[in-house]
Amino acid sequence: EVHLVASGGGLVQPGGSLRLSCVVSGFIFRNFDMQWVRQVPGKGLEWVSGIGQSGDTYYAGSVKGRFTISRENAKNSLYLQMDSLRAGDTALYYCARGGRFSWIDYWGQGILVTVSS
Amino acid sequence: SYVLTQSPSVSVAPGETARIPCGGDNIGSKSVHWYQQKPGQAPVLLIYQDTNRPSVVPERFTGANSGNTATLTITGVEAGDEADYYCQVRDSSDDHQVFGGGTKLTVL
Repeated sequence: EVHLVASGGGLVQPGGSLRLSCVVSGFIFRNFDMQWVRQVPGKGLEWVSGIGQSGDTYYAGSVKGRFTISRENAKNSLYLQMDSLRAGDTALYYCARGGRFSWIDYWGQGILVTVSS
Repeated sequence: SYVLTQSPSVSVAPGETARIPCGGDNIGSKSVHWYQQKPGQAPVLLIYQDTNRPSVVPERFTGANSGNTATLTITGVEAGDEADYYCQVRDSSDDHQVFGGGTKLTVL
């Protein structure tokens, strides 16, 4: 059974940094592209970033230059380093299995990031 | 950047058919995916590549895509179908994934 478990969320001040982690199980992690998608509570889904099997990365314009996606295949782990955080980054962040050219077939439980002073 | 437009809400009575449109410029040339999200839960894949359904999704859920509109159709709507529904495509011009704003389905 596929599982994606995110951690690392919490409260951070504007301008601060946070690193999200997502540990996966139930599939061969290195064979899949991965994504981060966020959702402001009560609002819609917003794609944040993706990483391919070979480590190629891509970002939404709203986070490019501030967020860094990475993966560690040996640890079945996906990461999102978030720097220069803003109030507008406050959201529930989902790690998800899905490709650049395909759909998202599994989603994690979501982890809340709150940027506030 | 590419924009997907969804109606904020759709209401239907139990047993009726719900149609949830997703509009975009020449969306018929793109591959559209649909997700269902119930309150307090993560989204779930409903339809992929316009018309394909994961094995766990009931046949009541079907997708279509042509011209400037993709449509998710739910036949024989049940109370348990009450949820938010999102369409998604890949924008090849900037290599971004794009989600529609979501449609809240209310079962009367």
